[in-house]
This record gives sequence, C-alpha cells and structure tokens, in this order.
Amino acid sequence: GAVVSQHPSWVICKSGTSVKIECRSLDFQATTMFWYRQFPKQSLMLMATSNEGSKATYEQGVEKDKFLINHASLTLSTLTVTSAHPEDSSFYICSAHFSSLQTQYFGPGTRLLVL
Amino acid sequence: AQSVTQLGSHVSVSEGALVLLRCNYSSSVPPYLFWYVQYPNQGLQLLLKYTSAATLVKGINGFEAEFKKSETSFHLTKPSAHMSDAAEYFCAVSEWCGSEKLVFGKGTKLTVNP
Repeated sequence: GAVVSQHPSWVICKSGTSVKIECRSLDFQATTMFWYRQFPKQSLMLMATSNEGSKATYEQGVEKDKFLINHASLTLSTLTVTSAHPEDSSFYICSAHFSSLQTQYFGPGTRLLVL
Repeated sequence: AQSVTQLGSHVSVSEGALVLLRCNYSSSVPPYLFWYVQYPNQGLQLLLKYTSAATLVKGINGFEAEFKKSETSFHLTKPSAHMSDAAEYFCAVSEWCGSEKLVFGKGTKLTVNP
C-alpha cells in the first residue's frame, strides 16, 4: 500500500515551453501533497505544499507564477513549470501525506531537462 | 524550528560489515522521525519511522534505528551490509506535532565495497 506515482518520469522540453507533472496517490487519499526539487548530490528542497481544494503554500524564494500547483482531487496534484528555461532543469519529486499514518510517501520523481 | 544533522555525507563499508548512519535532531523532541532511502534516479522509499512507541524501530531490508532522547539521536544501523544497500539515506523529522511537513537532513551516501 501507500503507492505514489509520478508522470512523466523523464521529459525534455524546449526553452519557453511549459510542462506539467502529475503526482497521484494510488491507494490512499491525500489532502496534502508536497513538491520538492532535488539538485545533483543534494538533499530535497521543499518547493510548496499542495492542499486539496485550496491554494498551494509556497516556500520562500519559489515563484508561484512560475511553478503552478493544482490539487484538484484527493489523489492528484499537478505541478506546471511555465515558460521553462534551462535553469529549471532538475529532478522534481512529489510526496503524498497519508494522514492516518502521519507519513509522507514519495513518488519516483520526474527528471526535467530544458534545452 | 526543527533541524536535522546527518554526520558524514559519505560512508563506506565492506560487504558484511556493520552499517551505522548518524542522525541528530535539534533539542526539542520531534513528534516523528523517519529514515528514507533513495536509489539513483528514483524517489524516496520509507525505511522506518519512530512515532513515540518503542524506541527501537525495525524497518525494511534489515535496517533498524534507535531513538535516544538523551543524545537527541536517531541513528540507522544494519548488522551486515549488502551490496544492494548502496544508496543515499535521508533522516527526516516532522516539523512540529501535527505538522505534515518534514525537515530533511542533507543525506548520507552509503557505498558498499565487495
């Protein structure tokens, strides 16, 4: 149980285009999901907290107009990187909070390369 | 605010040797403590978690961790390393009681030598 999926796992985009990453909790409902960014050989950097039915809460320094988050249902949150540029290339990981277990379960990550 | 320190960004052990990965949290007692493992190009997988029940927590793949309040530590151990244990390990604590947010350590890369 407690499986979280992400799609796509790999995406290559041209500079200036937008890309959407989906995060789904497959066997539990999550009112709260999280989006992280991970640079090579570094720990996870929390970007935002995604709340079902309400606006996301962004961490300091994260542009909310650049990284659009929509948590439309209890099993799906999406991260859209708008007008992506090479500096947005990174490994993006989502997690879903399983409230009864008080535990975050992580997706497999999405590697974004912007050319 | 909670903080997590993982001593040693790199740990190297021989196959069959004891694995010890260190994690210390800030002074206030965190509600929950976690260890996650990350294999290359993958997300994080939960190894184990402490939720104020037993102080010695057993996880998957033969790992265990002991919560020591007096030392503000939650070190991860495995009696005998396997080649497949080579990965990045992250210690994390919940930000405060009732918080869904996690505070992560910087990670420790474990190398297992044949």
